Amino acid sequence: EAGVTQFPSHSVIEKGQTVTLRCDPISGHDNLYWYRRVMGKEIKFLLHFVKESKQDESGMPNNRFLAERTGGTYSTLKVQPAELEDSGVYFCASSQDTGGRGSEAFFGQGTRLTVV
Amino acid sequence: GQSLEQPSEVTAVEGAIVQINCTYQTSGFYGLSWYQQHDGGAPTFLSYNALDGLEETGRFSSFLSRSDSYGYLLLQELQMKDSASYFCAVRVNTNAGKSTFGDGTTLTVKP
Repeated sequence: EAGVTQFPSHSVIEKGQTVTLRCDPISGHDNLYWYRRVMGKEIKFLLHFVKESKQDESGMPNNRFLAERTGGTYSTLKVQPAELEDSGVYFCASSQDTGGRGSEAFFGQGTRLTVV
Repeated sequence: GQSLEQPSEVTAVEGAIVQINCTYQTSGFYGLSWYQQHDGGAPTFLSYNALDGLEETGRFSSFLSRSDSYGYLLLQELQMKDSASYFCAVRVNTNAGKSTFGDGTTLTVKP
């Protein structure tokens, strides 16, 4: 079974440009999450989808970030226009259940975004 | 606010035992998870404690004391491949995927 996959693995863009990150969750996982790690600090929650609906977007930093999950399968995270402080590693995770002791979130390898 | 504190770096030798502590202050608490991340890789789930006490999974154990807002990850019989970053993360609600993470502890295992 394929894990969570993210594309691209690396992206270098200039300030002011647009970048779109993609995440394919594990098949059958209704829950999809975006996180990011900036400057080697903590991994911070951005938002949570349940199928195609945004369940929680409390961690989105500002309106330059737009996440979509059309059809409830893969998700995209677009940054437009990108700023220098957006540099970091963007992780996607998915889970089958929303809670319970046995449930866990599976992470992708992340997209390393560098804004220059 | 929400904060988790864990040491930034720990060094140990092969075969030794190491304990990585985590203290937390969060507005919600449903449990404490631990993740391992090798350089450039995906954070991998290691363990989850919702109740006080010790959970053991092979060479790794995790402990939680909710009254002390404290937990730790214990790694025994250290191997070189255990060199990685270890994150503690608090589940702030029933949602398995919404967690507040610490900054991570870089564990270096030396021969």
